[in-house]
Amino acid sequence: AQTVTQSQPEMSVQEAETVTLSCTYDTSESNYYLFWYKQPPSRQMILVIRQEAYKQQNATENRFSVNFQKAAKSFSLKISDSQLGDTAMYFCAFRTSGTYKYIFGTGTRLKVLA
Amino acid sequence: EPEVTQTPSHQVTQMGQEVILRCVPISNHLYFYWYRQILGQKVEFLVSFYNNEISEKSEIFDDQFSVERPDGSNFTLKIRSTKLEDSAMYFCASSDRGVTDTQYFGPGTRLTVL
Repeated sequence: AQTVTQSQPEMSVQEAETVTLSCTYDTSESNYYLFWYKQPPSRQMILVIRQEAYKQQNATENRFSVNFQKAAKSFSLKISDSQLGDTAMYFCAFRTSGTYKYIFGTGTRLKVLA
Repeated sequence: EPEVTQTPSHQVTQMGQEVILRCVPISNHLYFYWYRQILGQKVEFLVSFYNNEISEKSEIFDDQFSVERPDGSNFTLKIRSTKLEDSAMYFCASSDRGVTDTQYFGPGTRLTVL
């Protein structure tokens, strides 16, 4: 079965510091896509970053970057220079090529402290 | 920036009643999805819809559920006879292309079945 595991239910970080959220997944497929979504309180999930499994280079979007370790099936999200607006639930998700279905982790609730 | 919208934000219904959850996907998107999240559990895929047909569905999406695009802008999820266990947050999503594309999520409808 394909699964996504986020082992950190809650995390906190001081404003301007760096934090890393972990995500591991399990699949026997070789072609897939990985995503991090952010869900601020009472708002919709928005895409933070996306990684195609065939790309060796780690994706980066401004202060957000990933550490994609395909062999270890690990996909962690690093947030640099954390801001109060980064406070949210963060979901790791995974989709194999040829399917529409996202498989989500349970989420990590991140709180950025002033 | 265009967003997926959902109405209502919260729906309360009696067990056995029919409910229709409504979504307005991003206007140029062609692929539509429903997910649900039971409180404390993972977000789960229900169904994907393209060209007025279901393209993929999960084992959760049984005969009690149906989807429809009644006009050029709305996408609906109908639950024919609600059960207590249907209580969940229901998320609509849409994408421009299919399996290679990122899905954009709405804010969700919280369904409470009494």
